[in-house]
Amino acid sequence: GAGVSQSPSNKVTEKGKDVELRCDPISGHTALYWYRQSLGQGLEFLIYFQGNSAPDKSGLPSDRFSAERTGGSVSTLTIQRTQQEDSAVYLCASSADRGVTDTQYFGPGTRLTVL
Amino acid sequence: AQTVTQSQPEMSVQEAETVTLSCTYDTSENNYYLFWYKQPPSRQMILVIRQEAYKQQNATENRFSVNFQKAAKSFSLKISDSQLGDTAMYFCAFMKHGMRFGAGTRLTVKP
Repeated sequence: GAGVSQSPSNKVTEKGKDVELRCDPISGHTALYWYRQSLGQGLEFLIYFQGNSAPDKSGLPSDRFSAERTGGSVSTLTIQRTQQEDSAVYLCASSADRGVTDTQYFGPGTRLTVL
Repeated sequence: AQTVTQSQPEMSVQEAETVTLSCTYDTSENNYYLFWYKQPPSRQMILVIRQEAYKQQNATENRFSVNFQKAAKSFSLKISDSQLGDTAMYFCAFMKHGMRFGAGTRLTVKP
């Protein structure tokens, strides 16, 4: 595909369950970012990948959040023991490289609702 | 740490008129990039325009232009000839080491 894709588009889960959110970046893009957008709020940076490594994890809100990237492509964001405050839209973006010149292209997001 | 401030939570404009969205940021860096993103109800973040801090000339993309005042750390977006399809949330973003976003401005274009 031409753009960043994310799945699922919507996820409803019960408090305490684990969830996995998937991001497929634009082919060839080496940098990948995860953001969280709570209702009516701006975007909150979570984690950044360059290839398969994550040099910047500073935005992960707690140790219940983790992410991995394999093959320099697909990334999975995992939230363990979900809480109601985890409810948000999780956006993924990719760019050709992690330089200040690179524009990030966003996926459509996954709306997570924790009941 | 860099912060981005959008002081207008909501704005409205009549179709075909011009509107300006404000953005200020705080940084000690000299070289960086600034962006405006649009997020319509579909939730898809769409790049509207970008500005390199080392360039004095204001960026322009069709009906969208910016007024970049580096000394004042201001980066406003002007939308000319507003169209109904411009209705969306608009986010200002600063990028140096990672990207930081403002809280957004909800723009409504009225027919």
